[in-house]
Amino acid sequence: DQQVKQNSPSLSVQEGRISILNCDYTNSMFDYFLWYKKYPAEGPTFLISISSIKDKNEDGRFTVFLNKSAKHLSLHIVPSQPGDSAVYFCAAWNTGTASKLTFGTGTRLQVTL
Amino acid sequence: GAGVSQTPSNKVTEKGKYVELRCDPISGHTALYWYRQSLGQGPEFLIYFQGTGAADDSGLPNDRFFAVRPEGSVSTLKIQRTERGDSAVYLCASSTGQGGYTEAFFGQGTRLTVV
Repeated sequence: DQQVKQNSPSLSVQEGRISILNCDYTNSMFDYFLWYKKYPAEGPTFLISISSIKDKNEDGRFTVFLNKSAKHLSLHIVPSQPGDSAVYFCAAWNTGTASKLTFGTGTRLQVTL
Repeated sequence: GAGVSQTPSNKVTEKGKYVELRCDPISGHTALYWYRQSLGQGPEFLIYFQGTGAADDSGLPNDRFFAVRPEGSVSTLKIQRTERGDSAVYLCASSTGQGGYTEAFFGQGTRLTVV
């Protein structure tokens, strides 16, 4: 079963606008969430994270929001830049076991000029 | 090195052959993970090492897949009697493994193609 879901396989946003990438999860034991960015032929690169005790974490142009009751998180990128074009993966961790990150299927973001 | 290193970066093998994929984690990281990513999918968990031992191998698809980490650093993923369905990018990641809030750092992956 897919415990972490990214229902939008792709997203196109104009440069300078806000990009919003969404992620839903089903496992209530997940308590730490991460976003990874992946360029072609490279491994995923950590972008930003949030623990379940928070509802927002901000790092420069990137903000992650967590709604625990809805089991939903989102990544906001503002302003979007062409270099942000990549595949973004949402991942979740049960820190009690720390045995594995569970990934979503990814959203391909294209930032157009 | 500073990051997670995986070799080779590309591997083409014939169906039925044996392959080994190597991962050099970040120095000092006790936790090491292997993932497999197929086209259009997210990374899929295979196995997790804490030190030398496999703490969770529940993601290995069948007994053709095996991984070792004999000295708690470098790990090798071994695939016997390869099948075309094994073609994917194999990713390795490491973390401090201290529990709590941490992130996993990934290598660039090994693209395995079984022909």
